[in-house]
Amino acid sequence: DSGVTQTPKHLITATGQRVTLRCSPRSGDLSVYWYQQSLDQGLQFLIQYYNGEERAKGNILERFSAQQFPDLHSELNLSSLELGDSALYFCASSSGVGGNTIYFGEGSWLTVV
Amino acid sequence: DQQVKQNSPSLSVQEGRISILNCDYTNSMFDYFLWYKKYPAEGPTFLISISSIKDKNEDGRFTVFLNKSAKHLSLHIVPSQPGDSAVYFCAARANNAGNMLTFGGGTRLMVKP
Repeated sequence: DSGVTQTPKHLITATGQRVTLRCSPRSGDLSVYWYQQSLDQGLQFLIQYYNGEERAKGNILERFSAQQFPDLHSELNLSSLELGDSALYFCASSSGVGGNTIYFGEGSWLTVV
Repeated sequence: DQQVKQNSPSLSVQEGRISILNCDYTNSMFDYFLWYKKYPAEGPTFLISISSIKDKNEDGRFTVFLNKSAKHLSLHIVPSQPGDSAVYFCAARANNAGNMLTFGGGTRLMVKP
């Protein structure tokens, strides 16, 4: 158990819909990261937050957004969903903004039908 | 453009023998490299890392080798055990990119009893 908690574990939704994935980082960790793993692909970095502020942005679509709240939990919002958005979405956390080991949650399986 | 590549999607090894997983990278700004192990239905778990100032790091049965001139790193597992069967991801971090990790596509290791 990495200490990073993600909900829901599985989600099935229709195209065009909007979903929110939730992440609670390890106790004491200030950085939260979101990664996407599609079929036949490695983990793709989406976005990083540190202590409530956006820190780094990767290949995140404009239809996707994220935020980190004062209690340090984070949410990833996915809107206007398309079939290609079906993937495993991982949240990860680390204690600092850089130079630290990143610990991953178990992921949220999103299936868009 | 894949900056981190794991060219072998799968590897099969007999229990007790050595497993060698390889990873190549292209970005010369990468200065820290990590290996993660992933079991089905779980998030990636940190395994071992190496800084670019070193060429070898060892932790029990796991050793990571870094060849900077060749932009190549490898993970050696000796002796391999059936419980090592998992997908192994190589990841790299650039010195100008905070804690953002770039992942390879993964190698599925199967250790046969």
